[in-house]
Amino acid sequence: AQSVTQLDSQVPVFEEAPVELRCNYSSSVSVYLFWYVQYPNQGLQLLLKYLSGSTLVESINGFEAEFNKSQTSFHLRKPSVHISDTAEYFCAVSRSGYSTLTFGKGTMLLVSP
Amino acid sequence: NAGVTQTPKFRVLKTGQSMTLLCAQDMNHEYMYWYRQDPGMGLRLIHYSVGEGTTAKGEVPDGYNVSRLKKQNFLLGLESAAPSQTSVYFCASSYDGRNEQFFGPGTRLTVL
Repeated sequence: AQSVTQLDSQVPVFEEAPVELRCNYSSSVSVYLFWYVQYPNQGLQLLLKYLSGSTLVESINGFEAEFNKSQTSFHLRKPSVHISDTAEYFCAVSRSGYSTLTFGKGTMLLVSP
Repeated sequence: NAGVTQTPKFRVLKTGQSMTLLCAQDMNHEYMYWYRQDPGMGLRLIHYSVGEGTTAKGEVPDGYNVSRLKKQNFLLGLESAAPSQTSVYFCASSYDGRNEQFFGPGTRLTVL
């Protein structure tokens, strides 16, 4: 079975500061990796994904994540956050050939002025 | 396109009552999923379906049943609700199972 660990349940940060949300997974086979974002009282939206190819993936709103196979990590980063980035972020993994996702417990990003 | 829709948005039940949550998608997706979200627990998969007429158990299936009679609909049933089933329920769909899942807005269920 696979598992996903998001080490921080909450990350407080000031506006315009950089941020890193950590995600580690356990799997001995090929994986697909995702970051989802959930704004208050809404469903989840895909932020970015890694399926294959370049290990650095980017979203349209300035987030990026790097797949590190040796460290089994897929950390999410943004060089300068905005108030509007306040949300809960979920890392998820699926194994190649399988059709289900395993989610981490989420990290609440709190951006203050 | 409406994407993934869920009805109802809110519901309050008494212990022992039954209800059905409806999920509908208009993207012609083969795969559909039901999750529950509880504080500090992330999302946990209840049941899923890889095509019309098929269902499979996820991580936390006990106390729930599902049906996928039509490709666009995925129903989640609670036969005898318990307070432990108080949660926010999300439905999702996916084109091919390995790619992005699209989520509905959720149903907030309270069991008294």
